[in-house]
Amino acid sequence: AQTVTQSQPEMSVQEAETVTLSCTYDTSENNYYLFWYKQPPSRQMILVIRQEAYKQQNATENRFSVNFQKAAKSFSLKISDSQLGDTAMYFCAFSDNTDKLIFGTGTRLQVFP
Amino acid sequence: DTGVSQDPRHKITKRGQNVTFRCDPISEHNRLYWYRQTLGQGPEFLTYFQNEAQLEKSRLLSDRFSAERPKGSFSTLEIQRTEQGDSAMYLCASSFPTGEFDEQYFGPGTRLTVT
Repeated sequence: AQTVTQSQPEMSVQEAETVTLSCTYDTSENNYYLFWYKQPPSRQMILVIRQEAYKQQNATENRFSVNFQKAAKSFSLKISDSQLGDTAMYFCAFSDNTDKLIFGTGTRLQVFP
Repeated sequence: DTGVSQDPRHKITKRGQNVTFRCDPISEHNRLYWYRQTLGQGPEFLTYFQNEAQLEKSRLLSDRFSAERPKGSFSTLEIQRTEQGDSAMYLCASSFPTGEFDEQYFGPGTRLTVT
């Protein structure tokens, strides 16, 4: 069975600084997708960034980038130039070709002014 | 389009009562998913529909839970004889197949409290 592990329950960063959130996963599949979702307080979950396992190039979306290490089964999220609006729960998620998402337990990120 | 909507947003019920939640997906999204999120955990998959067909159910979905999507549009999730362990946020998501992985758009959730 696939599993997703986020070992950092809470992280904090000062505004404009860079922070990296960690995620590891376990699967025997070769083709799959990895995601980072953001869940702001009392608001709905939104997709931040997505990585296809067959792509070697790390995905980037503006200030968000990932470090995908397929052999190590590691998928970290780097947030550059952190903003107050980045304060949220961040969930790492996995999907094989069945489309359902398997989530980690989340990392609560607090951005301080 | 206003996104995925869920109703009610909050529900408090007594143990043993039945509850029903509704999810309205983004129009023309033919896939609809239900997840459950307990405090301090990530969402866990419960079930999903493609149009009106229920294609997969997690073993988390005990026989007290039933989900329907009768006309391939909105969906309902019913919990019979609620237990305190059912207290959670119930999330709905929808997607539209594009050939690759389809982004799931989440609703705001229904928070259930069983007293």
